[in-house]
Amino acid sequence: KAGVTQTPRYLIKTRGQQVTLSCSPISGHRSVSWYQQTPGQGLQFLFEYFSETQRNKGNFPGRFSGRQFSNSRSEMNVSTLELGDSALYLCASSFTGTKQETQYFGPGTRLLVL
Amino acid sequence: DQQVKQNSPSLSVQEGRISILNCDYTNSMFDYFLWYKKYPAEGPTFLISISSIKDKNEDGRFTVFLNKSAKHLSLHIVPSQPGDSAVYFCAASALRNAGNMLTFGGGTRLMVKP
Repeated sequence: KAGVTQTPRYLIKTRGQQVTLSCSPISGHRSVSWYQQTPGQGLQFLFEYFSETQRNKGNFPGRFSGRQFSNSRSEMNVSTLELGDSALYLCASSFTGTKQETQYFGPGTRLLVL
Repeated sequence: DQQVKQNSPSLSVQEGRISILNCDYTNSMFDYFLWYKKYPAEGPTFLISISSIKDKNEDGRFTVFLNKSAKHLSLHIVPSQPGDSAVYFCAASALRNAGNMLTFGGGTRLMVKP
């Protein structure tokens, strides 16, 4: 069974630009969560999607948004990029996203904002 | 305000000995706890979890202990192996959250010396 895939793996952008990251969950998984990892703040929850609906949202500004498609693939978008958005963005999937299900993480997309 | 804290950024242990990684939390609503392991350039990998109704859970070389009154959990690895060298994250989720929303600690880098 293929794992969680994320594209692209690396990305360089400049301040003010926008970026879209993609996540394909494990086949059959309907819950997709996004996390941001930075050296200063650690791993922080961004949002979770289930059946094309945002079910949970972390404490991030509105510049961070996401969506989920009918095939459970998910995208996250960051508009008006800031230097502080440089981070590793991880997505994780699970079957239904209930609390005691194991979440499987992808390898992440490393974003550098110059 | 960090709700999940791993106060030791790094730990060095000799192969064959016990590794003990610690984690403290402040939010009394957390009722499910997990440990993830992360290698460089990979996403976190689930290791072991524990529900707040238990105080211990074992899986092979890995045991997690939960002390609810102290709001403290620990991961024991016995015996430690060089392949265990990685960054370990503890994570927690809260009763009130539908779906998946994990709060992570800052991580502890474990180095197991041959």
